[in-house]
Amino acid sequence: EVQLVESGGLLVQPGGSLRLSCAASGFTFSDHYMDWVRQAPGKGLEWVGRTERKGNSYTTQYAVSVRGRFSISRDDSYKSVSLQMNSLKTEDTAVYYCARRSLRDGHYFLDYWGQGTLVTVSS
Amino acid sequence: QAVVTQEPSLTVSPGGTVTLTCGSSTGAVTSGHYAYWLQQKPGQAPRTLIYGTTYKHSWTPARFSGSLLGGKGALTLSGAQPEDEGHYYCLLLDSGVRVFGGGTKLTVL
Repeated sequence: EVQLVESGGLLVQPGGSLRLSCAASGFTFSDHYMDWVRQAPGKGLEWVGRTERKGNSYTTQYAVSVRGRFSISRDDSYKSVSLQMNSLKTEDTAVYYCARRSLRDGHYFLDYWGQGTLVTVSS
Repeated sequence: QAVVTQEPSLTVSPGGTVTLTCGSSTGAVTSGHYAYWLQQKPGQAPRTLIYGTTYKHSWTPARFSGSLLGGKGALTLSGAQPEDEGHYYCLLLDSGVRVFGGGTKLTVL
């Protein structure tokens, strides 16, 4: 069974840093791109970024809103992906989901999601 | 970065048909945007119903279908069921970056 479990969500002050982790199980982690998506309380979804596989040099991409502040890394040996968040702003308050990206019919899509971890940025 | 627009809310009668749309501020939505549709119910993580504009996952009920309609991405629900209530999000690929729409709250009533 595919499982994704996020951790690390906390209350942090504006300007602070936080590192989220996502532990994967039930599939060959190294074969998949992994994405982070967030959802502010009562709001819609916002794509944060993704990391590709070793074969794509672990290439990362980010949404404009987090570029330069957030970074995604992965450890295939530990089957985990991390989201390092720096210079946090109150508008970064959200539930953060990690999601697996799979290739099917020539298209990549997010097929499995974790349950999310809450990050609150407040003084 | 593109702004992706969706209807804020729609209502459909049980057994009825409804179409949700997804537009882009950069112009017509095409197959190159690889439109995705996700469903989210309260307290749950989202799940993808449609990817690559028209493809369904194995868990996608047959009553859902994706298409391009009038320069927009579209999700059509034919034969709405009470369990289809929830939020629906469109996701487009724009210049290598994925952008979500604001979501449509679908009520089955």
